[in-house]
Amino acid sequence: ETGVTQSPTHLIKTRGQQVTLRCSSQSGHNTVSWYQQALGQGPQFIFQYYREEENGRGNFPPRFSGLQFPNYSSELNVNALELDDSALYLCASSLPPGQGKTEAFFGQGTRLTVV
Amino acid sequence: AQTVTQSQPEMSVQEAETVTLSCTYDTSESNYYLFWYKQPPSRQMILVIRQEAYKQQNATENRFSVNFQKAAKSFSLKISDSQLGDTAMYFCALFETSGSRLTFGEGTQLTVNP
Repeated sequence: ETGVTQSPTHLIKTRGQQVTLRCSSQSGHNTVSWYQQALGQGPQFIFQYYREEENGRGNFPPRFSGLQFPNYSSELNVNALELDDSALYLCASSLPPGQGKTEAFFGQGTRLTVV
Repeated sequence: AQTVTQSQPEMSVQEAETVTLSCTYDTSESNYYLFWYKQPPSRQMILVIRQEAYKQQNATENRFSVNFQKAAKSFSLKISDSQLGDTAMYFCALFETSGSRLTFGEGTQLTVNP
């Protein structure tokens, strides 16, 4: 059974640029959620994807967007990067709500630094 | 809106001793789950223990147990026989079954001293 994997592990971008982060879900999990964790804080929910559709969104602007692919992997795209976007971005996979098991399994995260 | 509060930013404990981390939450839902996650310096969020709100019995996982007080909306984590490897940031999290997100607290940095 493969766990959740994210790439890249570290990334440095310039303000105004665009970035794409990638996530492969755990085997058998078809739901992927993305979280932003600023330094010293708890993770904040960005959005969730299920069956290639957005299934819930947190309080993040539209320049945060995502995709889910038929193999359940997912991308997080951030346009027009701002300094405050510097954070650890966590991907979590799970079974869809209603299937009993509610545990989310996390990847090791992508550390994004915007300069 | 759901909220999770951890009022202890930092705690320390001696190896082999017991420590309790506190968490309070607020939700208007009747059907939800509560979790404790551990985040070591490696950054990966690791599930420690899970509690279903409809279960009165407190969850236990080896050295980890919870005290779930539903009426008080309190969910504390007890770690027995603390080990050096328990040193990490611990997050309390709430999942409402009507939604799609985990709501996390601010975290408690636990240090286990030799």
